[in-house]
Amino acid sequence: GQNIDQPTEMTATEGAIVQINCTYQTSGFNGLFWYQQHAGEAPTFLSYNVLDGLEEKGRFSSFLSRSKGYSYLLLKELQMKDSASYLCAVRDSLKTIFGAGTRLFVKA
Amino acid sequence: NAGVTQTPKFRVLKTGQSMTLLCAQDMNHEYMYWYRQDPGMGLRLIHYSVGEGTTAKGEVPDGYNVSRLKKQNFLLGLESAAPSQTSVYFCASITFQGTLSYEQYFGPGTRLTVT
Repeated sequence: GQNIDQPTEMTATEGAIVQINCTYQTSGFNGLFWYQQHAGEAPTFLSYNVLDGLEEKGRFSSFLSRSKGYSYLLLKELQMKDSASYLCAVRDSLKTIFGAGTRLFVKA
Repeated sequence: NAGVTQTPKFRVLKTGQSMTLLCAQDMNHEYMYWYRQDPGMGLRLIHYSVGEGTTAKGEVPDGYNVSRLKKQNFLLGLESAAPSQTSVYFCASITFQGTLSYEQYFGPGTRLTVT
């Protein structure tokens, strides 16, 4: 079966750092994605991890541990525009399965 | 959302009516996907295609059919719409460049209401 878990909601303060966790149990694994989705819009790609470790892209970083079935997305120097849903997704052979997403609220 | 378009953007159907959603991409991507997204939920895979002339079932295929007659188009059909199919539908196309790099684009979505 496929199971991808993320917290439903998180709140953080502008300028702070927030970590959004994702755990997964899937029948196969070829890579893990993080997407950002603003309300009423399509998801936009943030990162793709295949190997264990941390990958950094500007204010966003993503970490993967395949042995633990665990990933996190780290957002630094939070801005109001970072208020959005963040979707964790696992590529399983030919298809990608999404978690329910984490709604992040950034407050002033 | 560059390169992936969806038609229509909005539609209201009555129960039992049929319709086809069109997804088109001009990036020569092999893989195309149809997802639905309901409030408070992530994207659930309906059907997907790994190349022209091929389709496969995803997580929630019941009530939907698909066709990929041309590489650039992926059609999603509802033969007899039901209120449970009220949702936002997203199409995506992907190309994998080796195992460590890829490109994925989503269409802007189609908001479907079935009354």
